[in-house]
Amino acid sequence: QVQLVQSGAEVKKPGSSVKVSCKASGGTFSSYTINWVRQAPGQGLEWMGRIIPTVGVANYAQNFQERVTITADKSTSTAYMELSSLRSGDTAVYYCATNRGRYFNYWGQGTLVTVSS
Amino acid sequence: SYELTQPPSVSVAPGQTARIPCGGNNIGTKSVHWYQLKPGQAPLLVVYDDSDRPSGIPERISGSNSGNTATLTINRVEAGDEADYYCQVWDFSSDHPWVFGGGTKLTVL
Repeated sequence: QVQLVQSGAEVKKPGSSVKVSCKASGGTFSSYTINWVRQAPGQGLEWMGRIIPTVGVANYAQNFQERVTITADKSTSTAYMELSSLRSGDTAVYYCATNRGRYFNYWGQGTLVTVSS
Repeated sequence: SYELTQPPSVSVAPGQTARIPCGGNNIGTKSVHWYQLKPGQAPLLVVYDDSDRPSGIPERISGSNSGNTATLTINRVEAGDEADYYCQVWDFSSDHPWVFGGGTKLTVL
């Protein structure tokens, strides 16, 4: 049973950056992919990107290509998602999740990021 | 890009059956997955590959998929089933291949 534990809520100013962590346990970190999905208030789920920790290769959705960086530290079984040039529309709950094939089988508890001046 | 359509809300009395549709063009040719989201909790996979249930998900939760509509069915609805439910497919032709529906709020009356 994989468990994903995310860092706590953040409040950021417009134009700044935020870095959210996702620590995995209960499995072999290098054997799965870590994805990031967000949910803005009143909106649906939106896939942002993913990383394969074994090789450190990340892929991003086009909507976030210019502003998001996903990394992983195999030594601590932790993945990170950094989003830059924050704006009010980035206020959302950010989730990390592992995927088994074409669905997400384990999720973190979510991290609320609030962007406000 | 591929789109999935869900009704914003479904309401049902305790003990009754809730059916949550997820519409998409020829969705019956794709594998559909369903997630339950409750405030402050990690999302939970409740159905994968149209109709399979992960370990720990009760048998009264089931899924089906045919034609242009996939459906999540919850029999003998309980208060604890009140949540948002999202369908999801993988579409290789999309920029972001993990495609989600807009979500349906299930209210237990």
